[in-house]
Amino acid sequence: ETGVTQTPRHLVMGMTNKKSLKCEQHLGHNAMYWYKQSAKKPLELMFVYNFKEQTENNSVPSRFSPECPNSSHLFLHLHTLQPEDSALYLCASSQDNPLAGGQETQYFGPGTRLLVL
Amino acid sequence: DQQVKQNSPSLSVQEGRISILNCDYTNSMFDYFLWYKKYPAEGPTFLISISSIKDKNEDGRFTVFLNKSAKHLSLHIVPSQPGDSAVYFCAASAHTGNQFYFGTGTSLTVIP
Repeated sequence: ETGVTQTPRHLVMGMTNKKSLKCEQHLGHNAMYWYKQSAKKPLELMFVYNFKEQTENNSVPSRFSPECPNSSHLFLHLHTLQPEDSALYLCASSQDNPLAGGQETQYFGPGTRLLVL
Repeated sequence: DQQVKQNSPSLSVQEGRISILNCDYTNSMFDYFLWYKKYPAEGPTFLISISSIKDKNEDGRFTVFLNKSAKHLSLHIVPSQPGDSAVYFCAASAHTGNQFYFGTGTSLTVIP
């Protein structure tokens, strides 16, 4: 596989469930990102990992818990979500340190469409 | 408050004509801009970028123009093709920052 892959592509969960989203990049990049895209809203950056270290957490509620075991894999663990968390969750990666300018082009996965009932 | 705005949610253009997608930003520190294209059920794909040291960047049928004084950029597609039908996002960042800010997207439909 090439590029950035995400699984699952669709997820329906209840508010008491625990689930995880997975992202894998095959580009040899060092930085990975989670974004949330809600209807009629711009992409919202949630988390940034650079060389496996979390460098950004944009005031995301603790019911979203990221994990980056290595530079190629990124997880988003979900628990006790709310219906308003229903959205498209996009993972992205870029070559270099986002703190060194934040201007490396980001490559996106296809997203996970999440519905919280 | 949104720092990057795409005020036209949708645009329809006849095949072969020019498509012009617009984007405005408020942060004068932004100095690098990107356009992404997104098809349904796919993630955004990078299309073209421009740095603030330039006012134009061209790549085949796609040209991005930057007007720093107006804090405005536009993407021109000419000639437009039906395969260009997608949602287009603009994004901006500052070299002093650590993230991109995205617009809400413009859905382009190219009519055959």
